[in-house]
Amino acid sequence: AQKVTQAQTEISVVEKEDVTLDCVYETRDTTYYLFWYKQPPSGELVFLIRRNSFDEQNEISGRYSWNFQKSTSSFNFTITASQVVDSAVYFCALSEGPDPIQGAQKLVFGQGTRLTINP
Amino acid sequence: GAGVSQSPSNKVTEKGKDVELRCDPISGHTALYWYRQRLGQGLEFLIYFQGNSAPDKSGLPSDRFSAERTGESVSTLTIQRTQQEDSAVYLCASSLQGPMNTEAFFGQGTRLTVV
Repeated sequence: AQKVTQAQTEISVVEKEDVTLDCVYETRDTTYYLFWYKQPPSGELVFLIRRNSFDEQNEISGRYSWNFQKSTSSFNFTITASQVVDSAVYFCALSEGPDPIQGAQKLVFGQGTRLTINP
Repeated sequence: GAGVSQSPSNKVTEKGKDVELRCDPISGHTALYWYRQRLGQGLEFLIYFQGNSAPDKSGLPSDRFSAERTGESVSTLTIQRTQQEDSAVYLCASSLQGPMNTEAFFGQGTRLTVV
């Protein structure tokens, strides 16, 4: 069964600090996909990144970086030099490899981490 | 439109009434998902469509909940005899089918309040 755990319910830091959001997942599949979404106060989920299980290379996009480690089943997200606009709820999600007949699989989400960046 | 569109954006209904929530996916997206998000909680999977068939509806909480989809277009989520515990934001998402799971694009949700 698929499961995503975001142990940090809430994080509060001061602007310009670095912050890491943890994500641990469980799956029996060897092919799977991991995602991070941002949910600002407006409520709409914004896609941040997708990573497939065969690509363990870490990724950096501006102030955002992701550390994928299959050995620990983790896909952590770091924001460097945080800004007030980064305040949001962040969700980690997992989907198993697409069924060759049915197509894409459902996304299973973690409970989310509410990040507050204080000025 | 360019994104996933949901209507209504807000719905207040009396306990026991039926409600219909609508989702217009991005054109060309064959996969469509419904999720429920209770206040301060994560996203709870309800049902997933591939075209107009539903390979996975394991998340529907009870037989009061049903969903349908017309072709690869609009989907409606129907809740019959609403209860107060149905109050939540109902989110719809769509994605492309393909050999790789592409990202799902979400609508802004329908906030349902059962009084």
